[in-house]
Amino acid sequence: EVQLVESGGGLVKPGGSLRLSCAASGFTFSSYSMNWVRQAPGKGLEWVSSISSSSSYIYYADSVKGRFTISRDNAKNSLYLQMNSLRAEDTAVYYCARDRQWEPVFDYWGQGTLVTVSS
Amino acid sequence: EIVMTQSPATLSVSPGERATLSCRASQSVSSNLAWYQQKPGQAPRLLIYGASTRATGIPARFSGSGSGTEFTLTISSLQSEDFAVYYCQQYNNWPPGRTFGQGTKLEIK
Repeated sequence: EVQLVESGGGLVKPGGSLRLSCAASGFTFSSYSMNWVRQAPGKGLEWVSSISSSSSYIYYADSVKGRFTISRDNAKNSLYLQMNSLRAEDTAVYYCARDRQWEPVFDYWGQGTLVTVSS
Repeated sequence: EIVMTQSPATLSVSPGERATLSCRASQSVSSNLAWYQQKPGQAPRLLIYGASTRATGIPARFSGSGSGTEFTLTISSLQSEDFAVYYCQQYNNWPPGRTFGQGTKLEIK
């Protein structure tokens, strides 16, 4: 069974930093591109960042470019999101999501972790 | 950036009836469109990709159609568990763009 479990969310002040983690199990992690998708409270979904299976290709939404860094450790079956210079508008539930092979759609999602940016 | 617009924002339908949800792209996305279902407090679930292909384990009452700029998600006979928010998402200009619609809330009439 595919499982994605996020952790690392919490309350942080504007300008602060946070590192999210996603532990994957139930599939060959090193074979899949992975993503972070976020959802502000009461709002819709926003793709944040993607990383290819071998970390060769990395992409960011314009809203986070230069502030967030995605990475992965295939030996540990883990995905990360380093978030710096956080703003109030970054407040959201952050989901880890797997790409379906050969198709950039999100076929499995974690339960999400809440990041709140507030003074 | 490709903008995805879903309509209506809220749809009220009785159980057992058919529901039709629409998604429009600001420019052609070919058939590179997916649909997701999200229930309160849960993560989204992939329903449809490639505009019309059901994801693994998705019941046959869910169907997708369309290409180019106009897409439809149809739920043929609504079950109680189908009342949720539905999002469309384009991936035609990937990389890097993947954009979602704002969602349609399907509620019980």
